[in-house]
Amino acid sequence: DAGVTQSPTHLIKTRGQQVTLRCSPKSGHDTVSWYQQALGQGPQFIFQYYEEEERQRGNFPDRFSGHQFPNYSSELNVNALLLGDSALYLCASTPQGRSEQYFGPGTRLTVT
Amino acid sequence: KNQVEQSPQSLIILEGKNCTLQCNYTVSPFSNLRWYKQDTGRGPVSLTIMTFSENTKSNGRYTATLDADTKQSSLHITASQLSDSASYICVATTSGTYKYIFGTGTRLKVLA
Repeated sequence: DAGVTQSPTHLIKTRGQQVTLRCSPKSGHDTVSWYQQALGQGPQFIFQYYEEEERQRGNFPDRFSGHQFPNYSSELNVNALLLGDSALYLCASTPQGRSEQYFGPGTRLTVT
Repeated sequence: KNQVEQSPQSLIILEGKNCTLQCNYTVSPFSNLRWYKQDTGRGPVSLTIMTFSENTKSNGRYTATLDADTKQSSLHITASQLSDSASYICVATTSGTYKYIFGTGTRLKVLA
């Protein structure tokens, strides 16, 4: 059984560009959460998707948006990239009816 | 404001020695306390999970304690190994919404 997978592993973008990150949850998991982790900091909650809708949202601007597909996979989109958006972006999936989150390996985004 | 604080920020120990990491949390309503291990550039991996009624939980050489009255937790690592070098993150979860509140982590370096 594959764990949570994320793509791409690394990404370099220029200020002002847009980026899409992808996440595939573990089998049997229906909830996906996204986190931003700056270097040397703990993860910061961006938002959570359940049944293809955004269920919770952290303190992030509207430039950050997402989507969940019928197969429970998810995308994180960031528009008008800023240098401060450089971080490790983590996806976590949660089993149906439970609260435990399982994290993927992350996508390292560098904005130049 | 929901908050998790960890100390020390970083720690260097010799292989074979023991160490204890600290976590203080202010989270309401509180559900459970988790410790994660995160290797550099990778996603966090769960070590222990404790509800408010549990005082201690072990996972191999890792032992976590929880004092729900003082809202403090500790992670004790016994007979450290080089592979223990990582960041250790304390996470408090809220009940109901199951929001994860992350600490900034303790960076542990084990030297040969």
